[in-house]
Amino acid sequence: DGGITQSPKYLFRKEGQNVTLSCEQNLNHDAMYWYRQDPGQGLRLIYYSQIVNDFQKGDIAEGYSVSREKKESFPLTVTSAQKNPTAFYLCATSWGRGANQPQHFGDGTRLSIL
Amino acid sequence: SQQGEEDPQALSIQEGENATMNCSYKTSINNLQWYRQNSGRGLVHLILIRSNEREKHSGRLRVTLDTSKKSSSLLITASRAADTASYFCATDGTREGGSEKLVFGKGTKLTVNP
Repeated sequence: DGGITQSPKYLFRKEGQNVTLSCEQNLNHDAMYWYRQDPGQGLRLIYYSQIVNDFQKGDIAEGYSVSREKKESFPLTVTSAQKNPTAFYLCATSWGRGANQPQHFGDGTRLSIL
Repeated sequence: SQQGEEDPQALSIQEGENATMNCSYKTSINNLQWYRQNSGRGLVHLILIRSNEREKHSGRLRVTLDTSKKSSSLLITASRAADTASYFCATDGTREGGSEKLVFGKGTKLTVNP
């Protein structure tokens, strides 16, 4: 989706290191989401934010942190506390609050452990 | 947490044939969405169907919803090689009605052979 930019496309993490995944959107959407996808699996929600300076934990928030200082940006930090970080991370946005709106996705960041 | 379950897990057909994928869920919903994911890419929204709707069309896609059976189906007619992708259903996953989160199934991997 051209309106959502995730970077980098590939990321490698050393043991004990924190890494930050970037998600930027120019769709003027209020809500932003971070999902984790493991091979052959569906998406699991890590964190979401419905408005600037506010965010909520999803189903698997442990070992992750986020911030929402600007409407356009919702970075995700994978901390050293996340013992199994290898996965495909997807950022999404939606126009309004709630799960009654379509979500728009970026093209993901693939994180691996060195 | 509630999760839609797609069936079959994998489907292989010839170009020109129809493809049908099913999704079952556990509790009442306000809406159900279908998404497509090409390999290594983000998800793309296909159709949103609300709980008071029974059928919805978009081009070669037809989605049905049976709330009494807690199930939905996605039909792709006259399939093309470009339809090769994984298809996911997602529900708003709530008993009360009104949720901020989507819950995704594990997906059906569709292969359309030329």
